[in-house]
Amino acid sequence: GQQLNQSPQSMFIQEGEDVSMNCTSSSIFNTWLWYKQDPGEGPVLLIALYKAGELTSNGRLTAQFGITRKDSFLNISASIPSDVGIYFCAGQPYTGNQFYFGTGTSLTVIP
Amino acid sequence: DAGVTQSPTHLIKTRGQHVTLRCSPISGHKSVSWYQQVLGQGPQFIFQYYEKEERGRGNFPDRFSARQFPNYSSELNVNALLLGDSALYLCASSLERHSPLHFGNGTRLTVT
Repeated sequence: GQQLNQSPQSMFIQEGEDVSMNCTSSSIFNTWLWYKQDPGEGPVLLIALYKAGELTSNGRLTAQFGITRKDSFLNISASIPSDVGIYFCAGQPYTGNQFYFGTGTSLTVIP
Repeated sequence: DAGVTQSPTHLIKTRGQHVTLRCSPISGHKSVSWYQQVLGQGPQFIFQYYEKEERGRGNFPDRFSARQFPNYSSELNVNALLLGDSALYLCASSLERHSPLHFGNGTRLTVT
């Protein structure tokens, strides 16, 4: 199956700092999604991307669909304590219906 | 509007038993997908159902089966449970087959 590599695996940052994480694939995807998961809950959709080069924002979050179609990026500006959680990328190839998920980036925000 | 609802929230079974997990999608969503999430990993695709037909199946053994009902709700069945089946089982609904997934809070299955 498809392998999605997320980096970094974990991040420890001070409140107010900006955060950047990325996701790379061995294959081309036509849709990229970004999710946040809190302990004991299901992933919550943050941003959906549909076109190469697309840049989409949701509040303090900004995500980009990589030009190569094999990567995506998520940035969080001015982090706050409630940003703590695990962030997952997910991609869907041109063929097939399933979304493939990355291994996650664990974010800790230090007040 | 209600989100994706799953039941039960927690379940403890012994090896060899059978389990049925249930999912109600967001109103208006026609597609339901099932994912397995092992601790420390991202969700792994099990099934997708769209308009009551199986549209995709992940790399899981035949012990796993699912179905979708006329009201678009879904069940995931797992037979002959193994210790390795212990995981969080997530249901996600989407408007169409290729639309973004909206997840429920999952069923935590523990096999002893």
